[in-house]
Amino acid sequence: EPEVTQTPSHQVTQMGQEVILRCVPISNHLYFYWYRQILGQKVEFLVSFYNNEISEKSEIFDDQFSVERPDGSNFTLKIRSTKLEDSAMYFCASSTHMNTEAFFGQGTRLTVV
Amino acid sequence: QQQVKQSPQSLIVQKGGISIINCAYENTAFDYFPWYQQFPGKGPALLIAIRPDVSEKKEGRFTISFNKSAKQFSLHIMDSQPGDSATYFCAAIPNTGNQFYFGTGTSLTVIP
Repeated sequence: EPEVTQTPSHQVTQMGQEVILRCVPISNHLYFYWYRQILGQKVEFLVSFYNNEISEKSEIFDDQFSVERPDGSNFTLKIRSTKLEDSAMYFCASSTHMNTEAFFGQGTRLTVV
Repeated sequence: QQQVKQSPQSLIVQKGGISIINCAYENTAFDYFPWYQQFPGKGPALLIAIRPDVSEKKEGRFTISFNKSAKQFSLHIMDSQPGDSATYFCAAIPNTGNQFYFGTGTSLTVIP
């Protein structure tokens, strides 16, 4: 069964450093997303991406964040100048269409120390 | 502003019992309502979903009941099993967007 894969599963970084989280969405999907989940809290939307551009973003997704689809398979989230409060699980998701089910990856646990 | 309100926060059910989780929303632009199941350390996995043109959808032991006029929907897990112990999130998506608005989650524990 096709699935969304994310790497790494766990990333530890020092405050102020830049991190890149990687995702391989399901191959025939057109819409890509990043969500985050702070420990014990709900899943929060960060950004959606379609046709090589951002289609929606939340208030959380400020200039510290950027997304890219560098080739035909990968989808990345870059976080610049990481802060302690960026520590969370980051989930990539993808869907075939707008306004329909999305499939989530296993997540990358980011720990900022 | 919390777009989707979910209750209860936690739920303990005996094996074989019925687990019921409720969600409510305000935004009438929402028109797709999935439920996700999440085990510790894993990503949310789609369980079942419904659109507002039907009042109920059943898949195996899982049923969504949808009340459009009340703007409420609920997940029923029949014959609950210990393997169902997980966190359940309801979500809603507007008809013009892609953003999932998740509820705050319900931690379900099914005791043998």
